[in-house]
Amino acid sequence: DAGVIQSPRHEVTEMGQEVTLRCKPISGHDYLFWYRQTMMRGLELLIYFNNNVPIDDSGMPEDRFSAKMPNASFSTLKIQPSEPRDSAVYFCASSLDPTDSEAFFGQGTRLTVV
Amino acid sequence: AQTVTQSQPEMSVQEAETVTLSCTYDTSENNYYLFWYKQPPSRQMILVIRQEAYKQQNATENRFSVNFQKAAKSFSLKISDSQLGDTAMYFCAFMMGPGGGADGLTFGKGTHLIIQP
Repeated sequence: DAGVIQSPRHEVTEMGQEVTLRCKPISGHDYLFWYRQTMMRGLELLIYFNNNVPIDDSGMPEDRFSAKMPNASFSTLKIQPSEPRDSAVYFCASSLDPTDSEAFFGQGTRLTVV
Repeated sequence: AQTVTQSQPEMSVQEAETVTLSCTYDTSENNYYLFWYKQPPSRQMILVIRQEAYKQQNATENRFSVNFQKAAKSFSLKISDSQLGDTAMYFCAFMMGPGGGADGLTFGKGTHLIIQP
């Protein structure tokens, strides 16, 4: 398996624009996580899914953020409208069972909002 | 809520030396998991080692070992015979055990480890 695949690797957008980040988890993994990494706040869990169902979205910062998982092989994180403070690296990770196996991370998407 | 604290923002050692990275955490849970992740300049998050709280034996993975002190809520990482490729950010992370109600990782702020030639 190619691992967790995120796209794009880098995204630069203007304030106010809609941004969509994409993630393809490892095939067969039931759990999918979205994390955000910033210098100020470090790595934070935004939301996670189990079998395509959102389980905990308490980490989603604002209503401007939304995440979907329409099927087992694809998830999106959308920011609308984007703001400069959303600039960060966004990671997607997947696992079979987080209490029994390793979470595998994608390469991350570096988002810059200007 | 759980918190993870890494008190060393940056450390620098000579190649082949042994280095210990500190991590403390706060939780009221009894069943949980602890992890160390490595993030090299490539940005990839790589699992280094994992410890189940119910296991008294400290986890080891080749040159990497932990000192898990449950009562003190301490989870330090020891890297023996350090190599240039060990240069990276190291993150300590916590996850609640089964039935704990949360399956994601809570991370510390990280320690930037530099291995000098």
